[in-house]
Amino acid sequence: AQSVTQLDSQVPVFEEAPVELRCNYSSSVSVYLFWYVQYPNQGLQLLLKYLSGSTLVKGINGFEAEFNKSQTSFHLRKPSVHISDTAEYFCAVTRNTGGFKTIFGAGTRLFVKA
Amino acid sequence: KAGVTQTPRYLIKTRGQQVTLSCSPISGHRSVSWYQQTPGQGLQFLFEYFSETQRNKGNFPGRFSGRQFSNSRSEMNVSTLELGDSALYLCASRKPGQGYEQYFGPGTRLTVT
Repeated sequence: AQSVTQLDSQVPVFEEAPVELRCNYSSSVSVYLFWYVQYPNQGLQLLLKYLSGSTLVKGINGFEAEFNKSQTSFHLRKPSVHISDTAEYFCAVTRNTGGFKTIFGAGTRLFVKA
Repeated sequence: KAGVTQTPRYLIKTRGQQVTLSCSPISGHRSVSWYQQTPGQGLQFLFEYFSETQRNKGNFPGRFSGRQFSNSRSEMNVSTLELGDSALYLCASRKPGQGYEQYFGPGTRLTVT
């Protein structure tokens, strides 16, 4: 079974400040890790993914995430946020063993203040 | 390249009715997954179709069903609607063998009254 825990439901931060959105997962099979972003009244958009290889992955809009196998974490970071980064962020794990299936975390609402 | 499209974007139905939602994947994407998004339960996996076959299913009652056509377009059907079925239904497509990421449509907002 897989599960994803996003440790913060809301993260308020001032513009140009750094931010970290935390994600922990558990799985009994190999999984692939993703971060998606959802703007109001829209679907989800892929920010970045970890499939294998380097544990530090870079995505769009200046975001990056680090895969930590021992801590089963995949935290998302950005060194300097903008007002336009205000959105909901979802961590997700995908397995392709026994059928393709993705489990999403509950989401973290990032609110960037001027 | 055109993205994933979903129709209709908004829908209001009455309890007990049935509804059909449509999803057209990105050209060349043969896998389509459906998700239900609600404030209380978050994003929950409904099912995945690949080459007209359902390959995986989430924990939803049998009132939720789907199908995929030979052109990869997919539909999902909910029969005997309940108030709790009010949600944003998202469709996502992917190209198996190319990275596992999914491309989402804008969703269909279903309101059951």
